[in-house]
Amino acid sequence: NAGVTQTPKFQVLKTGQSMTLQCAQDMNHEYMSWYRQDPGMGLRLIHYSVGAGITDQGEVPNGYNVSRSTTEDFPLRLLSAAPSQTSVYFCASSSQGATYEQYFGPGTRLTVT
Amino acid sequence: AQSVTQLGSHVSVSEGALVLLRCNYSSSVPPYLFWYVQYPNQGLQLLLKYTSAATLVKGINGFEAEFKKSETSFHLTKPSAHMSDAAEYFCAVTRSSNTGKLIFGQGTTLQVKP
Repeated sequence: NAGVTQTPKFQVLKTGQSMTLQCAQDMNHEYMSWYRQDPGMGLRLIHYSVGAGITDQGEVPNGYNVSRSTTEDFPLRLLSAAPSQTSVYFCASSSQGATYEQYFGPGTRLTVT
Repeated sequence: AQSVTQLGSHVSVSEGALVLLRCNYSSSVPPYLFWYVQYPNQGLQLLLKYTSAATLVKGINGFEAEFKKSETSFHLTKPSAHMSDAAEYFCAVTRSSNTGKLIFGQGTTLQVKP
């Protein structure tokens, strides 16, 4: 199993550009989430999904869109990038079962200039 | 609403000394609590978790944590620090019903001095 994979690893955008961060998992997990990590603030939840076709907002959803058409994939779209979105983005997945563990991808480091 | 507070953004210990990283939580429902570790330029790895079973939880790499409901705490300890323990540590909480919504603390960077 590859676990949770994210692409790209690094990205530089100009203000106003749009892009999609990709996330995929091969563990058949129901839950998938996107977090952003900023110094001194820990990880903050952007959006999450409890299954294909079902998404909901987290703490910091503004400026981001998600959709979940399959169990495996959960892309994060930046509609019009802003410097405040410079961050490291992590995707995670977990099972509805009893383990309660979230598995994290390696992250995407995004810089918006 | 749930929240997590980690006391001390930086902790420095000598190799072989006790490691103590503090975490206090706020939750209106029975919480599920986690400690994750992040090594430089890597993702997060689960160290241990509390899911309403034993209050003393043992994790990987010799770490353990004790859930104290009366103190709303879940502090992480290790009897003897190794150089390889230098990393950032995150405490997180969620409601049992939704493991997709972790609320994280601000993180504590552990420095281990030789």
